[in-house]
Amino acid sequence: DTGVSQDPRHKITKRGQNVTFRCDPISEHNRLYWYRQTLGQGPEFLTYFQNEAQLEKSRLLSDRFSAERPKGSFSTLEIQRTEQGDSAMYLCASSLREMVAFFGQGTRLTVV
Amino acid sequence: QQQVKQSPQSLIVQKGGISIINCAYENTAFDYFPWYQQFPGKGPALLIAIRPDVSEKKEGRFTISFNKSAKQFSLHIMDSQPGDSATYFCAASIGRDDKIIFGKGTRLHILP
Repeated sequence: DTGVSQDPRHKITKRGQNVTFRCDPISEHNRLYWYRQTLGQGPEFLTYFQNEAQLEKSRLLSDRFSAERPKGSFSTLEIQRTEQGDSAMYLCASSLREMVAFFGQGTRLTVV
Repeated sequence: QQQVKQSPQSLIVQKGGISIINCAYENTAFDYFPWYQQFPGKGPALLIAIRPDVSEKKEGRFTISFNKSAKQFSLHIMDSQPGDSATYFCAASIGRDDKIIFGKGTRLHILP
């Protein structure tokens, strides 16, 4: 499979726990994006990387959220001290410069 | 402030009919307008896109109409089929590889 891969597909966690999601972009794609999608809404931009540099962060990305992309390959999104409001689908997308982005299937997070 | 407004929220169309979804944007810096299709449990997939220098783009049964002066654009699905039943998102970005601003989505149901 040469598409964007996200792991895990589903995660259920207790409030207050930390969670980490992984995204493997399409090979050689230098841009990687994270979005959050809640039920009945469109995806909302969280942050994006060009290679290993994090170029922009949305104000939606509170200090409990951190994203990394070491070596410009895969990326991780960590949420610390999860809250029920963090329950959502977390989508990753990747692209080449000046090309359209392709989305992964997402990680659905449920905080109980 | 919602930068991309989409309507209707839901739409039911008979098989063979024309499905029409409308969007409006505010930021005149947007220069790339994609439409995404999303099935339950999947990530959004690019359907068709347009730049503001053209007024219409057609790909198969899907057509985007663009009105730059009114800052509006729409998706027309001709000969709608049950397999087209999905959620459709209009979106906008500055350049194809910048962050994407999504509308809230239209849940389309095609009656067999």
